[in-house]
Amino acid sequence: GQQVMQIPQYQHVQEGEDFTTYCNSSTTLSNIQWYKQRPGGHPVFLIQLVKSGEVKKQKRLTFQFGEAKKNSSLHITATQTTDVGTYFCAGYSGYSTLTFGKGTMLLVSP
Amino acid sequence: DADVTQTPRNRITKTGKRIMLECSQTKGHDRMYWYRQDPGLGLRLIYYSFDVKDINKGEISDGYSVSRQAQAKFSLSLESAIPNQTALYFCATSDGTGGITDTQYFGPGTRLTVL
Repeated sequence: GQQVMQIPQYQHVQEGEDFTTYCNSSTTLSNIQWYKQRPGGHPVFLIQLVKSGEVKKQKRLTFQFGEAKKNSSLHITATQTTDVGTYFCAGYSGYSTLTFGKGTMLLVSP
Repeated sequence: DADVTQTPRNRITKTGKRIMLECSQTKGHDRMYWYRQDPGLGLRLIYYSFDVKDINKGEISDGYSVSRQAQAKFSLSLESAIPNQTALYFCATSDGTGGITDTQYFGPGTRLTVL
């Protein structure tokens, strides 16, 4: 079956440092979605990428979808304590449901 | 998202007991899902339903069953709970109109502990 791998599993940064999480699929994806889960909360949809090589920005967050549509990344510039949480990627690849990565937990120290 | 509610929010039960987790939504979405979250394992799909007459097994359906009572309601049952079913359970919905761009809306979660 489809597998979506996400690295790193965990990262601890100082406020102001940058952060990147990477997502890799065993199969070509139709699209990639990113979700954020705050501590004690539930996953919330952030963004979706559909086109090969697509780049989207949301303020300090930059999302990329690889040319081969098998990988993606989320980069946060100058992290803030409000960025704390777990970031999940999820993709469709011909199956009828999303496959989620295991997530990257981000801790930001002030 | 307040449009997707789950009851109970927390539950402690004993091994062998039958337990039901309920999910309701006011978003008018056809598609509903049950996920399980364990530390380090991410979100794993248990069951999903694309409409009232449609029920499908997900990645980890063994030991679970579901019922889609109406468009707005999707219940998850543990027939005979065991300790390794201790986890955080999420219900989610999607409207299904986006095709491959279908995004999901999650409920607040139910924390289940099986002793």
